[in-house]
Amino acid sequence: EAQVTQNPRYLITVTGKKLTVTCSQNMNHEYMSWYRQDPGLGLRQIYYSMNVEVTDKGDVPEGYKVSRKEKRNFPLILESPSPNQTSLYFCASSLEQLTGELFFGEGSRLTVL
Amino acid sequence: KNEVEQSPQNLTAQEGEFITINCSYSVGISALHWLQQHPGGGIVSLFMLSSGKKKHGRLIATINIQEKHSSLHITASHPRDSAVYICAVRSGFQDTGNQFYFGTGTSLTVIP
Repeated sequence: EAQVTQNPRYLITVTGKKLTVTCSQNMNHEYMSWYRQDPGLGLRQIYYSMNVEVTDKGDVPEGYKVSRKEKRNFPLILESPSPNQTSLYFCASSLEQLTGELFFGEGSRLTVL
Repeated sequence: KNEVEQSPQNLTAQEGEFITINCSYSVGISALHWLQQHPGGGIVSLFMLSSGKKKHGRLIATINIQEKHSSLHITASHPRDSAVYICAVRSGFQDTGNQFYFGTGTSLTVIP
């Protein structure tokens, strides 16, 4: 089944404790991206990747890191999480770099205390 | 700065009504997407448009590139259409990046 898989789906952590949210797609998509969704602000793009070893900042990259060592995986790293990173996070992918339908993961709800 | 504006923010309709959600954007785009998010959070893609009109079942999406405007229509609305509808644009140019911008969503409730 074609899908985008995120883990963990739910996480409660404390300020400063490094964490990684994994994202994997099995559709051989070139484009992958991370978003956060907050009430009243909607979805905002954090980082995106056009292909392996190619990543770029989105609208709200501060406090996050990403890497794209393999085509299928695009982990989101919070080196030192803070309470303002409490949010619902989505990973998405699309086949083509410039167009293509977006396929979303199920979301990861992160709470930083 | 709001690259994407949606209206209305909230919409309540009776079952069977024709519904229109509007989206205006201010950036150059390679594609516009309409997304649906049900309570519980999952997001699915309804349409991707770069020109003209697309239809899928009771849903119709149109885009006017010159006016930088898109509409999502739902014919014969049904309670299962109740969801948040999100307009997203992709500034997909090789030399200027490949970023997505999102509207804040339209919350639709269809009453039986």
